Amino acid sequence: NAGVTQTPKFRVLKTGQSMTLLCAQDMNHEYMYWYRQDPGMGLRLIHYSVGEGTTAKGEVPDGYNVSRLKKQNFLLGLESAAPSQTSVYFCASSPSGRRNEQFFGPGTRLTVL
Amino acid sequence: GQSLEQPSEVTAVEGAIVQINCTYQTSGFYGLSWYQQHDGGAPTFLSYNGLDGLEETGRFSSFLSRSDSYGYLLLQELQMKDSASYFCAVRDKDSSYKLIFGSGTRLLVRP
Repeated sequence: NAGVTQTPKFRVLKTGQSMTLLCAQDMNHEYMYWYRQDPGMGLRLIHYSVGEGTTAKGEVPDGYNVSRLKKQNFLLGLESAAPSQTSVYFCASSPSGRRNEQFFGPGTRLTVL
Repeated sequence: GQSLEQPSEVTAVEGAIVQINCTYQTSGFYGLSWYQQHDGGAPTFLSYNGLDGLEETGRFSSFLSRSDSYGYLLLQELQMKDSASYFCAVRDKDSSYKLIFGSGTRLLVRP
């Protein structure tokens, strides 16, 4: 099992460019999440999904969109990147019976110039 | 709203015991979780307390007192590899699918 994987690992964007981050999990988990982590801070939830075809807003959703067309994939999109979106992005998943135990991907380090 | 407080940094000696505290404020409570994150790595789940008391997993233990809105993570027989950041987290009162994380405690283990 690969667990939770994220692509790409690193990316540099210019202000105004768009991109999509891909998260995939092979554990058949119902719930998936996107977080951002800024230096010296905890994780802040951007969006989450409780099942295929569903998404919901987290703490800091502005400037991001998500889609979950397949159970195993959760996409995070930035339509018009801003320097304030420079961060490390983590995807996570959890099984329906153990919501407190989230499995995290390795992260994507994004820099917006 | 909900908030969690943890010390920003703790230093301890290899082989010692260290306790990382977490206090929380929330109008609804579903339990307290702990995660470990090494520099440059991903967070990994350590433990969960849904009820008052102590949960033990090897060298790590976690404690919860719901009446005091307080919990802690206890690390025994510290090893250099335990140097990492430790986050406590609670489930959100409005949506039990969401976790709210503290800002983390950076643990430095010295030889």
